[in-house]
Amino acid sequence: GAVVSQHPSWVICKSGTSVKIECRSLDFQATTMFWYRQFPKQSLMLMATSNEGSKATYEQGVEKDKFLINHASLTLSTLTVTSAHPEDSSFYICSANWRDSYEQYFGPGTRLTVT
Amino acid sequence: AQKITQTQPGMFVQEKEAVTLDCTYDTSDPSYGLFWYKQPSSGEMIFLIYQGSYDQQNATEGRYSLNFQKARKSANLVISASQLGDSAMYFCAMREAGTYKYIFGTGTRLKVLA
Repeated sequence: GAVVSQHPSWVICKSGTSVKIECRSLDFQATTMFWYRQFPKQSLMLMATSNEGSKATYEQGVEKDKFLINHASLTLSTLTVTSAHPEDSSFYICSANWRDSYEQYFGPGTRLTVT
Repeated sequence: AQKITQTQPGMFVQEKEAVTLDCTYDTSDPSYGLFWYKQPSSGEMIFLIYQGSYDQQNATEGRYSLNFQKARKSANLVISASQLGDSAMYFCAMREAGTYKYIFGTGTRLKVLA
């Protein structure tokens, strides 16, 4: 149980375009979803926390207008990278948990390359 | 501020040997949770083990055990009988007090030698 999926697993897009990444909890209702960014050989950096039906809470230094997060249902959160640039190329990982769960369940990640 | 420190950027271990990966943490909150995750080259985060701050005994999960030294604020991961498949990046994380957010350490890259 507690499976989280991400789609796509990898994506290449041109500079200036937008790309959407989906995060789904497959067998549980996720009250909270998290979005992380990971550069090569570095740790995970939390970008934002989203709760179903409310606006995402962004970490300091993360541009909310560039990284749009929508948590429309208890099983789906989306991250849209708007006007992507090569420096946005990274590995994006989502995770989810349910109320009172001490553990976050991670998706397999999405590798974004902006050319 | 809460913080997780992993001081070993890389470690080597011989197959079938045990290895300890270090993790220290800093928090003023009495209630917290500590986690270890494995990240192979594929990128997925694999949950290994969890230790709650009020747990009296060290957590164990198969070949993984967590050496929890509360007074020293350390939560070292011990992998017994290392296997080639254990080669990966290992992250220590702490659940931030009062939230569900995690704080991650910088990670330790483990290489198991045949």
